[in-house]
Amino acid sequence: QSVLTQPPSASGTPGQRVTISCSGSWSTIGNNYVNWYQQLPGTAPKLLIYRNDERPSEVPDRFSGSKSGTSASLAISGLRSEDEADYYCGSWDDSLSGQVFGGGTKLTVL
Amino acid sequence: QVHLVQSGAQVKKPGASVKVSCKVSGYSFMNYDITWVRQAPGQGLEWMGWISGYNAKTNYAQSVHGRVTMTTDTSTSTVFMELRSLRSDDTAVYYCARSLRRDGPDYWGQGTLVTVSS
Repeated sequence: QSVLTQPPSASGTPGQRVTISCSGSWSTIGNNYVNWYQQLPGTAPKLLIYRNDERPSEVPDRFSGSKSGTSASLAISGLRSEDEADYYCGSWDDSLSGQVFGGGTKLTVL
Repeated sequence: QVHLVQSGAQVKKPGASVKVSCKVSGYSFMNYDITWVRQAPGQGLEWMGWISGYNAKTNYAQSVHGRVTMTTDTSTSTVFMELRSLRSDDTAVYYCARSLRRDGPDYWGQGTLVTVSS
């Protein structure tokens, strides 16, 4: 049982816009930044979004993040086949003094 | 460029210990923490703990507390994670990742597969 809650799966067709949600609490998302990670099969997670809505320079602007209260969302626009991957949200947990992650969302590009 | 290079895959018997190394480069070792995360086959990411590159202060997850030790060697910019009394459910890919405490991990190592099997 993960501390942050994500839908187990999401899907879309090429060119479509999809969103993935991440729900937490005041000790996690409500009081801290949210990061998003993309994990392609057989590879390490890669930072996609940091500090809720910031994007590393190498990440395409098709990816965007937002946060409101104790929830956050990742949006992917102009969906491409290479976006098919597992996506994880992560946040600091004040009560653990450590990181917590969502259970992951498997994105399928139909 | 920031790089984190981990040691190779290991196979261990139940009850044994495993030690995984993570050599970092491309940034000031003392300015960041190293976070350890593991991923069991087909499962999600599980935070194991962090160690400060500045003063080697640690914080471990309750799930591995008492069985895990994280240490640093500042002379070689290497971090170690030792897990003892291994069980079959410790079989996982273990990742080290650079992190700025509350900001969370940014750069990740390539992962180390640890298989626990009799």
